Amino acid sequence: AQSVTQPDIHITVSEGASLELRCNYSYGATPYLFWYVQSPGQGLQLLLKYFSGDTLVQGIKGFEAEFKRSQSSFNLRKPSVHWSDAAEYFCAVNTGGFKTIFGAGTRLFVKA
Amino acid sequence: GAGVSQSPRYKVAKRGQDVALRCDPISGHVSLFWYQQALGQGPEFLTYFQNEAQLDKSGLPSDRFFAERPEGSVSTLKIQRTQQEDSAVYLCASSLGSGGEPQHFGDGTRLSIL
Repeated sequence: AQSVTQPDIHITVSEGASLELRCNYSYGATPYLFWYVQSPGQGLQLLLKYFSGDTLVQGIKGFEAEFKRSQSSFNLRKPSVHWSDAAEYFCAVNTGGFKTIFGAGTRLFVKA
Repeated sequence: GAGVSQSPRYKVAKRGQDVALRCDPISGHVSLFWYQQALGQGPEFLTYFQNEAQLDKSGLPSDRFFAERPEGSVSTLKIQRTQQEDSAVYLCASSLGSGGEPQHFGDGTRLSIL
C-alpha cells in the first residue's frame, strides 16, 4: 500500500531564511503528488501539484517543489520565509484512483 | 458558493448522542470526500461519493458512522452513539473529478465528545 512520510514533525526557521520541507512516498509507479497548507482552524489549501513533465513545480505564495524519482521524494522549498507562512504543511499522494493519502504533516514555526 | 462550506464549525456532544455534520461542496463538483483529522495528524480518508453514489466507505471506523449525499450535492456525515474516540476534526472536500484532481477543502467541523 502506498504511504507518505514527512520526517520532520516541526521545523523552526528565521524570517527571511530559506525553507525545505521533506516528503517521501512509497509507491511502485509515479503518483500524483500534492502539497497542502493548513492554518489553525481552517481547511487545507492546495499549494502545488505534480502530475508529469517538468520535475520542478511552481506553486502559490512563492513555493516550489521538486520531484525526484530516484529518491521517491517531493520536497517543498521556499527561498525566503515570511511570518505568515507559519502553518501546518501536508504532503499527499494519489495513485490515480479516488483515495489520496496524506502525510502526518510538518508544523512550520517562523521566528522574527 | 465560492468554496466548500461545512456546518456546524464546532459541535459538542455527550457520549452516546447522535450527531450530524453537513457539507455543502462547490457547485458542479462531482466528487465529495470526508476525512477525519485527529490532533497533530494528517487527514484520514473516511468515504467517497461520486455524485450521489457512495463508491467507497472503507475508511469509516465503525457501523456507527454513516454518510449520504442523496441528490449529489450536499452531504451529511452522521455518527450514532458517539464515543470519546470520535473527537476529531471532520473535513469535507470536493473536486471536479477523482484521481489526480486537487481537492478543495472546507474549514471542518471540530467535534468534541464529553
